[in-house]
Amino acid sequence: DAKTTQPPSMDCAEGRAANLPCNHSTISGNEYVYWYRQIHSQGPQYIIHGLKNNETNEMASLIITEDRKSSTLILPHATLRDTAVYYCIVMPGGTSYGKLTFGQGTILTVHP
Amino acid sequence: EAQVTQNPRYLITVTGKKLTVTCSQNMNHEYMSWYRQDPGLGLRQIYYSMNVEVTDKGDVPEGYKVSRKEKRNFPLILESPSPNQTSLYFCASSPRGGRGYNEQFFGPGTRLTVL
Repeated sequence: DAKTTQPPSMDCAEGRAANLPCNHSTISGNEYVYWYRQIHSQGPQYIIHGLKNNETNEMASLIITEDRKSSTLILPHATLRDTAVYYCIVMPGGTSYGKLTFGQGTILTVHP
Repeated sequence: EAQVTQNPRYLITVTGKKLTVTCSQNMNHEYMSWYRQDPGLGLRQIYYSMNVEVTDKGDVPEGYKVSRKEKRNFPLILESPSPNQTSLYFCASSPRGGRGYNEQFFGPGTRLTVL
């Protein structure tokens, strides 16, 4: 019962913006959108999360559509070190956050 | 340095020989979790713990045990390992409360091979 859908792979040129889409059409009102990434066989790394407003931090920006059914993670100036698997996850907020389920994610390859 | 540590990082064992993979975090996090990662299957949660003495099953708990006697430690126990438990294992922790409490911090991973 996948809650998110992501393209299996994407390519990006070094220095350009990488835009990674995620569909979460069944998202509930209290669920947040989280993004993690995993660089080859290392532990996953948190990137960013949001509820309904766009968010930005030192790593990336997160754009969530007004209906909250999809979102886009933006790496503004991709580098070779951004080559990784990117996971989009929806999780409930509040005090009960239970299971964290990673799907297949998107393999982002940044080319020189 | 704030971190999640796992030991051992690599382990080759034989079927049926009990083993424990340790996980420790120094961030005073309440929430801890174990995942396994297999090719084509992504990351799957094995067990998680909301606090000391509180544990619950994730998506793939069969063949595993956990305990949470102290806040910082969350060992994963394989009482009788089988070859289908050959996998890459990750421990993670997360604080509770506040806007970022679902940000999970992952350990470096333990690569387990069961012959």
